[in-house]
Amino acid sequence: GAGVSQTPSNKVTEKGKYVELRCDPISGHTALYWYRQSLGQGPEFLIYFQGTGAADDSGLPNDRFFAVRPEGSVSTLKIQRTERGDSAVYLCASSPGTGGADEQFFGPGTRLTVL
Amino acid sequence: GENVEQHPSTLSVQEGDSAVIKCTYSDSASNYFPWYKQELGKRPQLIIDIRSNVGEKKDQRIAVTLNKTAKHFSLHITETQPEDSAVYFCAVYNSGTYKYIFGTGTRLKVLA
Repeated sequence: GAGVSQTPSNKVTEKGKYVELRCDPISGHTALYWYRQSLGQGPEFLIYFQGTGAADDSGLPNDRFFAVRPEGSVSTLKIQRTERGDSAVYLCASSPGTGGADEQFFGPGTRLTVL
Repeated sequence: GENVEQHPSTLSVQEGDSAVIKCTYSDSASNYFPWYKQELGKRPQLIIDIRSNVGEKKDQRIAVTLNKTAKHFSLHITETQPEDSAVYFCAVYNSGTYKYIFGTGTRLKVLA
């Protein structure tokens, strides 16, 4: 079946602009995670959704970052007033969300470049 | 919060030799320990995982060992091949917080 997909694959924007990154999880997966991966680093947790609600958004670096998942499937990560330090690969992952330890399935990521 | 340390940051081995990567964690409530392989420009892929009620798990050339008392776990790759070259990440999951915390990665180079 289809895996996790993310669009766009690449996004180049100018400092101060607004961007939206989209994640389409595996059908039926209730748990959805957003991560940020900088060059040479491991994925850094940003936010976790269980269904439609953000169960943990403690990883969002500041109030310029926001994420939604209105129907419990597709999620959008929104970044306002982008800064050069926001440049990174943004990864989305989904898992069945049974409440225990599930395997995560990653999307291909969106490479964000802020000029 | 949870802190995960991963060593070494880079590792070069000759083809056919073994490679070992180690991770330590701080939260004793963590109960799931996956390992991911990430090739350049690609997404992380799960290669093996272990749960807190198991001490060792093996899948062909790959094995993972877990020492919950010492709070560390290791990835073992035997008979390494050039296609094993990639960055490997450990991760720690806590079912109380639903959060995965990743290590900083190990770049493995298998020399032919």
